[in-house]
Amino acid sequence: NAGVTQTPKFQVLKTGQSMTLQCAQDMNHEYMSWYRQDPGMGLRLIHYSVGAGITDQGEVPNGYNVSRSTTEDFPLRLLSAAPSQTSVYFCASNARRGVSEAFFGQGTRLTVV
Amino acid sequence: SQQGEEDPQALSIQEGENATMNCSYKTSINNLQWYRQNSGRGLVHLILIRSNEREKHSGRLRVTLDTSKKSSSLLITASRAADTASYFCATDDPGSARQLTFGSGTQLTVLP
Repeated sequence: NAGVTQTPKFQVLKTGQSMTLQCAQDMNHEYMSWYRQDPGMGLRLIHYSVGAGITDQGEVPNGYNVSRSTTEDFPLRLLSAAPSQTSVYFCASNARRGVSEAFFGQGTRLTVV
Repeated sequence: SQQGEEDPQALSIQEGENATMNCSYKTSINNLQWYRQNSGRGLVHLILIRSNEREKHSGRLRVTLDTSKKSSSLLITASRAADTASYFCATDDPGSARQLTFGSGTQLTVLP
């Protein structure tokens, strides 16, 4: 049981490049989320999904797209990378909103130069 | 905006001492959770306390919740060097479809 798997672990992009951060979970969880973590800011919600085919914006969605075609996968796309998107990105899943714990991936450290 | 705010931002104690971290939040909640993050790693769930509970224990962890003051505390007893990590509270707002909202965390350092 792998839990939540994120790839890649590290990435360096040039300004304007696009890329996709992958997230997969094998726990059949309905809820999945993407957060970014910046020093002194805690975790901020980017996008989330309450099930396959359903996504919605979080606190800081600008510059990011998501899709949820399957229960297992929830990729995060950076459309045109900017230095302000330099951060550590975490994917999380949980079984039931409001009553269950969230499981986190190990994170992707992204640097945009 | 941050729902949960931890206090203090940083805490340094000696091994064997108790560590107390506080969390304040703004809206009503279904539950409040505490997570731990070791340096360079993802967050790991520690404990969940429901809005109708006042206190909960798990091993060396004790969590209290005061919904009238919109605050919670995490107590780690008999701390160990391995407890060195960042600790975050997270809340679940029943008025929002969004997932957990995290505070900015407390960095705990336990000195051997």
